[in-house]
Amino acid sequence: EPEVTQTPSHQVTQMGQEVILRCVPISNHLYFYWYRQILGQKVEFLVSFYNNEISEKSEIFDDQFSVERPDGSNFTLKIRSTKLEDSAMYFCASSAPGGAGNTIYFGEGSWLTVV
Amino acid sequence: AQSVTQLGSHVSVSEGALVLLRCNYSSSVPPYLFWYVQYPNQGLQLLLKYTTGATLVKGINGFEAEFKKSETSFHLTKPSAHMSDAAEYFCAVRPLIQGAQKLVFGQGTRLTINP
Repeated sequence: EPEVTQTPSHQVTQMGQEVILRCVPISNHLYFYWYRQILGQKVEFLVSFYNNEISEKSEIFDDQFSVERPDGSNFTLKIRSTKLEDSAMYFCASSAPGGAGNTIYFGEGSWLTVV
Repeated sequence: AQSVTQLGSHVSVSEGALVLLRCNYSSSVPPYLFWYVQYPNQGLQLLLKYTTGATLVKGINGFEAEFKKSETSFHLTKPSAHMSDAAEYFCAVRPLIQGAQKLVFGQGTRLTINP
C-alpha cells in the first residue's frame, strides 16, 4: 500500500537553528499537510498546501515556518529559528483530490527535539 | 469553530471485553468524522470514517462507529478487545466548508488491554 514517508525520524537541534523536515507524499495525491503533536497533547493542524500554494494555515504557523514542494515529489517544512516549544512530533500527510471525505494519510512522523 | 471532545484520556478494558471510546463534536453543520489509531512509535492510521449514507460504519480490525446527529456523537466500539488493540485513538472532524481540508483532532484516548 502506498505510504507517506518522512525524514528524519528524529532530530535534535539547538535553539535558534534552522530545521528542515522532509516528506514524500503518496504519488497521486495533490493535497499536502503538516500537523504536529507536542508530547502529551492533541494533534494540531499547521498548514495545508495545494496547487503550489498554502491553502489554509493555523495560528501556530507563523513567520518562522514555511513549506515548499521543491521538486514535485518532496514536501518540506522549514522552521527558521527553532524554539524550545517547537519540540514535538511533526506529521506530514497527503490526500487525493475529490472532497472533504477523502482520507488523509499520515506519515510516521519526525520527532524534533530542541535543546 | 469545530471542536472534538473525547471523554476519557485513558480507558482500560480486559481482553475479550467490549471497547467503547467516546467522541463528541461541536458544529452547527455535521462534519465528516474520522477515527485514527496510533500504535507505539508509529504514525496515524485511519480506522474508519463517516461521510454520508449509513450512520453505522465499519472499519479495520473489527472496529465500528455510529454517527448520531441528535447526540453529536461518533463513538467507537469493538465487541471483543484484543491485546493488539492497545494504542492511542483519535477522533477527528473535517468541516464541510468550501476549501477546508484540515482535520480537527480530539485529545486522544489511550486504550490499555488487561490480560
